Amino acid sequence: GAVVSQHPSWVICKSGTSVKIECRSLDFQATTMFWYRQFPKQSLMLMATSNEGSKATYEQGVEKDKFLINHASLTLSTLTVTSAHPEDSSFYICSATRTSGQKQYFGPGTRLTVT
Amino acid sequence: GENVEQHPSTLSVQEGDSAVIKCTYSDSASNYFPWYKQELGKRPQLIIDIRSNVGEKKDQRIAVTLNKTAKHFSLHITETQPEDSAVYFCAARERGSTLGRLYFGRGTQLTVWP
Repeated sequence: GAVVSQHPSWVICKSGTSVKIECRSLDFQATTMFWYRQFPKQSLMLMATSNEGSKATYEQGVEKDKFLINHASLTLSTLTVTSAHPEDSSFYICSATRTSGQKQYFGPGTRLTVT
Repeated sequence: GENVEQHPSTLSVQEGDSAVIKCTYSDSASNYFPWYKQELGKRPQLIIDIRSNVGEKKDQRIAVTLNKTAKHFSLHITETQPEDSAVYFCAARERGSTLGRLYFGRGTQLTVWP
């Protein structure tokens, strides 16, 4: 068990539009989900921590009005990139932890390209 | 916040040799240290982890050691195989962090030559 999915796996959008990325825990309940951003050949940069039913906690330097996070249930968190710009192009990966655990299980990632 | 340093950034070994990747952390309160393997374009996969109350943990060809006093931990891969080639990330989690945040090292590109 501990499978995390993301949708879409890749998306291309035009500058100024918004894009929503879904992260789902398929076979477990996830109290907490995390959103990361990864540039080519670089590490995982934590953007925000999302707890079910409460507001997300954003890392320093991450604009909460630009990267909207919603964690409506124990199996679903969404990241919406609003008014996307080319510099937002990146690989976005979510992870989730079980209610009682601390291991983080990662989704397959979403490749976002803003033209 | 926690700061995790990882070395080396690249590592090349011959098949069958051992590989060692080292990480240091800054916050002595950190208590959980996972290692992830990420193949190109794929998700990070948890390969082994260790808690602060343990000094060493082994799983077949993979082992992790932790030195709390020196605040460093290492990944050891023995009898390396070409399929071990990937980027490896270490991470640290703060004790008492109700958010459960992990702080990652910069990664090590491991290449195993046949």
